[in-house]
Amino acid sequence: AQSVTQPDIHITVSEGASLELRCNYSYGATPYLFWYVQSPGQGLQLLLKYFSGDTLVQGIKGFEAEFKRSQSSFNLRKPSVHWSDAAEYFCAVASGGGSYIPTFGRGTSLIVHP
Amino acid sequence: KAGVTQTPRYLIKTRGQQVTLSCSPISGHRSVSWYQQTPGQGLQFLFEYFSETQRNKGNFPGRFSGRQFSNSRSEMNVSTLELGDSALYLCASSLTGASSYNEQFFGPGTRLTVL
Repeated sequence: AQSVTQPDIHITVSEGASLELRCNYSYGATPYLFWYVQSPGQGLQLLLKYFSGDTLVQGIKGFEAEFKRSQSSFNLRKPSVHWSDAAEYFCAVASGGGSYIPTFGRGTSLIVHP
Repeated sequence: KAGVTQTPRYLIKTRGQQVTLSCSPISGHRSVSWYQQTPGQGLQFLFEYFSETQRNKGNFPGRFSGRQFSNSRSEMNVSTLELGDSALYLCASSLTGASSYNEQFFGPGTRLTVL
């Protein structure tokens, strides 16, 4: 069965600093990988996804993620964090092959200090 | 284009009662999925409906059920509520559903509190 681990429950960064949120997945074949963001009182919004091809994926809001098969990782990065980026971030994996239902990680809460 | 709407946004029920939540997908979307979000279990998939048929189901007891209407609107029902059913219930719609990838668009959720 597929699974996702987000090792960091909370991450605190200063505004303008760089950000990296970690995600490790467990799945035998090539996974479909996603990052979502959830602001307070809101639903989830897709930031970016990886299906195949270039392992460095660009998303919305200046985010990017890199798929590293050897490390089973799909870490999310942003070079300069804005206060509005404070939110909950979820990594998810889907197996494809007939079902793209995602399995979500437990989430990482991003706190941004001014 | 209007987004995914969920009603009501907040609900308070007592144990043993039943509840019905509603989700209206984005116009033209035919797939609706439901998720339960709790601090303890995180985000868990409940079920997916496509063209009025349940196509995928998560690992939840039979107290959780759903349906989809011909206009793609979906309802989710929970019978005999338990304290542990307190959660944020999220609905997501997509064009063609889980058998081929189309981005899921999430609604703001219904916050259910069971007392």
